[in-house]
Amino acid sequence: DGGITQSPKYLFRKEGQNVTLSCEQNLNHDAMYWYRQDPGQGLRLIYYSQIVNDFQKGDIAEGYSVSREKKESFPLTVTSAQKNPTAFYLCASSSPGNTEAFFGQGTRLTVV
Amino acid sequence: AQKITQTQPGMFVQEKEAVTLDCTYDTSDQSYGLFWYKQPSSGEMIFLIYQGSYDEQNATEGRYSLNFQKARKSANLVISASQLGDSAMYFCAMREATDKLIFGTGTRLQVFP
Repeated sequence: DGGITQSPKYLFRKEGQNVTLSCEQNLNHDAMYWYRQDPGQGLRLIYYSQIVNDFQKGDIAEGYSVSREKKESFPLTVTSAQKNPTAFYLCASSSPGNTEAFFGQGTRLTVV
Repeated sequence: AQKITQTQPGMFVQEKEAVTLDCTYDTSDQSYGLFWYKQPSSGEMIFLIYQGSYDEQNATEGRYSLNFQKARKSANLVISASQLGDSAMYFCAMREATDKLIFGTGTRLQVFP
């Protein structure tokens, strides 16, 4: 079945450590996205990528980094520079002309 | 600048009644797409409906319809015959030609018996 997979579902890290969230899609989509969601809030765009080896900053890129070495994969690293990393992270994918953007199930990151 | 605005933090509706969730957008692009998603408490994002900027007819999907008023830059979601299972967060989103996809702050809908 085609879809988009995020792992892990829950992630705990100590303050000051970098952590990488995985996002993989087998939908052959060109564009991929990372969003952050805080409790009761909307989705804020962190980074997005239109093609392999290229990505653009979203509205809240500070403290995050991404890579797009393969079309299927768009991992997000939450660095120690991110002051308040505890949140729900959602990955999505789409292609030009798609009438739907597909989402993963999300990763809930807790930094203690 | 690209922007999505949802001005209703919360809405209440009685079961079997219709409800309209507001969404306005701002873009300088001529080609763009508008989406609505539902997010239940589980956190998953459920796609509801899509409207392209060049679509002349308002989009409909079952009980969901999108009231698209291009000149007013509004894309309101209408849910007919509300059900208890419709209680959730609802997000409006826009994708421009650059593929940048942004979301509004959402509206929490609560359906009561």
